[in-house]
Amino acid sequence: KNEVEQSPQNLTAQEGEFITINCSYSVGISALHWLQQHPGGGIVSLFMLSSGKKKHGRLIATINIQEKHSSLHITASHPRDSAVYICAVTSGNQFYFGTGTSLTVIP
Amino acid sequence: EAGVAQSPRYKIIEKRQSVAFWCNPISGHATLYWYQQILGQGPKLLIQFQNNGVVDDSQLPKDRFSAERLKGVDSTLKIQPAKLEDSAVYLCASRLQGSTEAFFGQGTRLTVV
Repeated sequence: KNEVEQSPQNLTAQEGEFITINCSYSVGISALHWLQQHPGGGIVSLFMLSSGKKKHGRLIATINIQEKHSSLHITASHPRDSAVYICAVTSGNQFYFGTGTSLTVIP
Repeated sequence: EAGVAQSPRYKIIEKRQSVAFWCNPISGHATLYWYQQILGQGPKLLIQFQNNGVVDDSQLPKDRFSAERLKGVDSTLKIQPAKLEDSAVYLCASRLQGSTEAFFGQGTRLTVV
Protein backbone atom coordinates (compact mmCIF):
# COMPACT_ATOMS: atom_id res chain seq x y z
CA LYS A 1 0.00 0.00 0.00
CA ASN A 2 1.31 3.44 -0.93
CA GLU A 3 1.91 5.98 1.79
CA VAL A 4 -0.02 8.51 -0.32
CA GLU A 5 -3.22 7.68 -2.17
CA GLN A 6 -4.94 10.00 -4.63
CA SER A 7 -8.33 9.93 -6.27
CA PRO A 8 -9.54 10.02 -8.89
CA GLN A 9 -6.74 8.70 -11.08
CA ASN A 10 -8.22 10.38 -14.17
CA LEU A 11 -10.67 13.22 -14.42
CA THR A 12 -12.36 14.88 -17.39
CA ALA A 13 -14.33 18.05 -16.85
CA GLN A 14 -16.12 20.66 -18.93
CA GLU A 15 -14.71 24.16 -18.87
CA GLY A 16 -16.14 26.08 -15.95
CA GLU A 17 -16.75 23.09 -13.72
CA PHE A 18 -15.66 22.91 -10.10
CA ILE A 19 -13.03 20.21 -9.63
CA THR A 20 -11.91 18.33 -6.53
CA ILE A 21 -8.93 16.02 -6.23
CA ASN A 22 -8.45 14.07 -3.02
CA CYS A 23 -5.36 12.86 -1.22
CA SER A 24 -5.04 10.56 1.79
CA TYR A 25 -1.81 9.64 3.53
CA SER A 26 -0.81 7.13 6.15
CA VAL A 27 2.46 8.50 7.56
CA GLY A 28 3.20 11.28 9.99
CA ILE A 29 3.96 14.41 8.04
CA SER A 30 5.46 17.80 8.52
CA ALA A 31 3.96 19.19 5.31
CA LEU A 32 1.79 18.27 2.35
CA HIS A 33 2.46 19.49 -1.17
CA TRP A 34 0.29 19.81 -4.21
CA LEU A 35 2.29 19.72 -7.41
CA GLN A 36 1.35 20.32 -11.01
CA GLN A 37 3.04 18.48 -13.84
CA HIS A 38 2.53 19.45 -17.47
CA PRO A 39 3.14 17.08 -20.40
CA GLY A 40 6.76 18.17 -20.76
CA GLY A 41 7.46 16.62 -17.37
CA GLY A 42 8.48 19.60 -15.27
CA ILE A 43 6.89 19.96 -11.87
CA VAL A 44 5.62 23.18 -10.32
CA SER A 45 4.81 23.43 -6.66
CA LEU A 46 1.29 24.82 -6.19
CA PHE A 47 0.90 24.66 -2.44
CA MET A 48 2.71 23.56 0.65
CA LEU A 49 0.54 23.32 3.74
CA SER A 50 0.61 21.82 7.18
CA SER A 51 -2.79 22.96 8.42
CA GLY A 52 -5.98 24.69 7.37
CA LYS A 53 -6.48 26.09 3.93
CA LYS A 54 -4.61 28.04 1.27
CA LYS A 55 -5.92 29.84 -1.77
CA HIS A 56 -4.14 31.03 -4.87
CA GLY A 57 -6.29 32.41 -7.65
CA ARG A 58 -8.78 29.71 -8.66
CA LEU A 59 -6.95 27.03 -6.68
CA ILE A 60 -7.78 26.10 -3.10
CA ALA A 61 -6.02 23.48 -0.98
CA THR A 62 -7.25 22.18 2.34
CA ILE A 63 -5.84 19.73 4.82
CA ASN A 64 -7.34 17.87 7.76
CA ILE A 65 -4.47 16.61 9.90
CA GLN A 66 -6.67 14.47 12.15
CA GLU A 67 -8.19 12.65 9.17
CA LYS A 68 -4.90 12.60 7.20
CA HIS A 69 -6.66 13.98 4.18
CA SER A 70 -6.21 16.86 1.80
CA SER A 71 -8.19 18.20 -1.13
CA LEU A 72 -7.26 20.38 -4.07
CA HIS A 73 -10.12 22.36 -5.57
CA ILE A 74 -10.13 24.20 -8.88
CA THR A 75 -12.94 26.69 -9.40
CA ALA A 76 -14.11 27.74 -12.86
CA SER A 77 -11.82 25.21 -14.54
CA HIS A 78 -10.12 26.10 -17.80
CA PRO A 79 -8.44 23.99 -20.50
CA ARG A 80 -5.06 25.36 -19.40
CA ASP A 81 -5.62 23.59 -16.06
CA SER A 82 -5.18 20.29 -17.91
CA ALA A 83 -2.21 18.59 -16.27
CA VAL A 84 -1.28 15.89 -13.80
CA TYR A 85 -1.76 16.93 -10.18
CA ILE A 86 0.43 15.14 -7.67
CA CYS A 87 0.03 15.04 -3.90
CA ALA A 88 3.23 14.59 -1.93
CA VAL A 89 4.05 14.60 1.77
CA THR A 90 7.19 15.39 3.69
CA SER A 91 7.86 12.85 6.42
CA GLY A 92 11.17 13.30 8.18
CA ASN A 93 13.75 13.70 5.46
CA GLN A 94 11.67 11.80 2.90
CA PHE A 95 9.09 12.74 0.32
CA TYR A 96 6.28 10.34 -0.52
CA PHE A 97 4.34 10.89 -3.72
CA GLY A 98 0.91 9.89 -4.89
CA THR A 99 0.55 8.50 -8.39
CA GLY A 100 -1.09 11.64 -9.65
CA THR A 101 -4.47 12.66 -11.03
CA SER A 102 -4.59 13.33 -14.74
CA LEU A 103 -7.00 16.20 -15.37
CA THR A 104 -8.37 17.10 -18.79
CA VAL A 105 -10.58 20.16 -19.09
CA ILE A 106 -12.60 20.25 -22.29
CA PRO A 107 -13.56 23.60 -23.84
CA GLU B 1 15.89 33.42 -7.27
CA ALA B 2 16.97 30.91 -9.91
CA GLY B 3 15.26 27.56 -9.77
CA VAL B 4 16.61 24.04 -10.07
CA ALA B 5 18.25 23.68 -13.46
CA GLN B 6 18.33 20.40 -15.34
CA SER B 7 19.72 19.42 -18.70
CA PRO B 8 19.06 18.15 -21.21
CA ARG B 9 15.28 18.54 -21.36
CA TYR B 10 14.86 15.62 -23.71
CA LYS B 11 17.07 12.71 -24.72
CA ILE B 12 16.51 9.80 -27.06
CA ILE B 13 19.04 6.98 -27.06
CA GLU B 14 19.24 3.40 -28.19
CA LYS B 15 19.28 0.59 -25.67
CA ARG B 16 22.73 -0.30 -24.37
CA GLN B 17 23.94 3.26 -24.92
CA SER B 18 25.02 5.53 -22.08
CA VAL B 19 23.43 8.78 -20.99
CA ALA B 20 24.10 11.43 -18.37
CA PHE B 21 21.83 14.03 -16.82
CA TRP B 22 22.90 17.15 -15.00
CA CYS B 23 21.26 19.07 -12.17
CA ASN B 24 22.17 22.37 -10.57
CA PRO B 25 20.13 22.92 -7.40
CA ILE B 26 19.15 26.20 -5.87
CA SER B 27 22.14 27.92 -4.30
CA GLY B 28 22.60 26.93 -0.68
CA HIS B 29 20.36 23.88 -0.82
CA ALA B 30 22.26 21.07 0.86
CA THR B 31 19.77 18.32 0.05
CA LEU B 32 19.46 17.09 -3.52
CA TYR B 33 17.19 14.35 -4.82
CA TRP B 34 17.03 12.42 -8.06
CA TYR B 35 13.66 10.85 -8.89
CA GLN B 36 12.57 8.56 -11.69
CA GLN B 37 9.00 8.97 -12.89
CA ILE B 38 7.65 6.33 -15.23
CA LEU B 39 4.57 7.34 -17.21
CA GLY B 40 1.43 7.03 -15.12
CA GLN B 41 3.28 6.64 -11.85
CA GLY B 42 4.44 8.96 -9.10
CA PRO B 43 8.11 9.86 -8.80
CA LYS B 44 10.34 7.21 -7.25
CA LEU B 45 13.41 8.25 -5.27
CA LEU B 46 16.65 7.07 -6.83
CA ILE B 47 19.17 8.83 -4.63
CA GLN B 48 19.33 11.54 -2.01
CA PHE B 49 22.43 13.62 -1.26
CA GLN B 50 23.18 15.75 1.75
CA ASN B 51 25.96 18.04 0.54
CA ASN B 52 28.32 15.61 -1.22
CA GLY B 53 27.35 12.56 0.83
CA VAL B 54 24.77 9.93 -0.08
CA VAL B 55 21.87 9.70 2.41
CA ASP B 56 19.74 7.11 0.60
CA ASP B 57 20.45 5.17 -2.57
CA SER B 58 18.52 2.04 -1.66
CA GLN B 59 16.37 2.17 -4.80
CA LEU B 60 19.15 3.04 -7.21
CA PRO B 61 19.86 0.15 -9.64
CA LYS B 62 23.57 0.28 -8.98
CA ASP B 63 24.47 -2.17 -11.72
CA ARG B 64 23.64 0.48 -14.30
CA PHE B 65 22.89 3.75 -12.52
CA SER B 66 25.41 6.00 -10.82
CA ALA B 67 25.22 9.49 -9.39
CA GLU B 68 27.67 11.91 -7.91
CA ARG B 69 27.74 15.31 -6.30
CA LEU B 70 31.43 15.82 -5.91
CA LYS B 71 31.54 19.41 -4.65
CA GLY B 72 28.20 19.32 -2.90
CA VAL B 73 26.61 21.60 -5.47
CA ASP B 74 25.61 20.26 -8.88
CA SER B 75 25.04 16.59 -9.57
CA THR B 76 25.12 14.14 -12.45
CA LEU B 77 23.10 10.96 -12.89
CA LYS B 78 24.38 8.38 -15.35
CA ILE B 79 22.84 5.29 -16.87
CA GLN B 80 25.18 2.78 -18.47
CA PRO B 81 23.97 0.76 -20.31
CA ALA B 82 20.39 1.93 -20.78
CA LYS B 83 17.44 -0.43 -21.03
CA LEU B 84 14.03 0.13 -22.59
CA GLU B 85 12.43 0.23 -19.14
CA ASP B 86 14.59 3.23 -18.21
CA SER B 87 12.36 5.42 -20.36
CA ALA B 88 11.01 7.95 -17.88
CA VAL B 89 11.23 11.51 -16.68
CA TYR B 90 14.20 12.06 -14.39
CA LEU B 91 13.51 14.80 -11.88
CA CYS B 92 15.95 16.64 -9.71
CA ALA B 93 14.81 18.45 -6.58
CA SER B 94 16.57 20.39 -3.88
CA ARG B 95 15.75 21.47 -0.39
CA LEU B 96 17.23 23.83 2.15
CA GLN B 97 18.39 21.98 5.25
CA GLY B 98 15.67 22.14 7.90
CA SER B 99 12.98 23.23 5.43
CA THR B 100 10.02 21.09 4.39
CA GLU B 101 9.70 22.75 0.99
CA ALA B 102 11.27 21.18 -2.07
CA PHE B 103 11.90 22.79 -5.42
CA PHE B 104 11.79 20.72 -8.58
CA GLY B 105 13.57 21.05 -11.88
CA GLN B 106 11.88 20.79 -15.25
CA GLY B 107 13.00 17.19 -15.59
CA THR B 108 14.74 15.27 -18.34
CA ARG B 109 12.49 13.09 -20.45
CA LEU B 110 14.48 10.03 -21.53
CA THR B 111 13.29 7.73 -24.28
CA VAL B 112 15.20 4.50 -24.84
CA VAL B 113 14.48 2.86 -28.19
